[in-house]
Amino acid sequence: KNEVEQSPQNLTAQEGEFITINCSYSVGISALHWLQQHPGGGIVSLFMLSSGKKKHGRLIATINIQEKHSSLHITASHPRDSAVYICAALPNTGNQFYFGTGTSLTVIP
Amino acid sequence: DAGITQSPRHKVTETGTPVTLRCHQTENHRYMYWYRQDPGHGLRLIHYSYGVKDTDKGEVSDGYSVSRSKTEDFLLTLESATSSQTSVYFCATHPISSGNTIYFGEGSWLTVV
Repeated sequence: KNEVEQSPQNLTAQEGEFITINCSYSVGISALHWLQQHPGGGIVSLFMLSSGKKKHGRLIATINIQEKHSSLHITASHPRDSAVYICAALPNTGNQFYFGTGTSLTVIP
Repeated sequence: DAGITQSPRHKVTETGTPVTLRCHQTENHRYMYWYRQDPGHGLRLIHYSYGVKDTDKGEVSDGYSVSRSKTEDFLLTLESATSSQTSVYFCATHPISSGNTIYFGEGSWLTVV
């Protein structure tokens, strides 16, 4: 049973395209995190959300608490956005994160 | 950047030998985690700590032990390494407040031959 589901698993886009990655979760959460991992690299946090929407440059993250759903959008995608994007949920109870299996994004020039 | 360093970053070891990975943080975060990352599985929790000498098992704890004698250090030991423990290991920290983000170390690539 996966508490966090991501879609799609793999995504290929042309440079400049608008990209959406989705995350659904089944538990009550206190926060939802979006993480980025470049090939062979470490993992960095892009956003932490508990409600609403956040924007950082070309990246936008939204969350709908009632629907238990979050999306990560990338506007005007660029080859340097090629990475694995991971959704992580911190439940209301406990301190163990639930992770999605990641979305592998490739942006082609 | 939460000042998390992992060591060693890369290691090749033989089956049956003990291996210890170290995670060091400089931010005084209460929670520390050890994960392994394998293709098709994503990040899986091995053990975590919620304070000095306070640890608990995660979903894939068999064959691993941990220790936390100081706030800043969280050690992961493979008691007798097996080929199935070949993986990338990530340490992470999180402050006590849920209003803060999670921080990851750079990863430790372990190959058991």
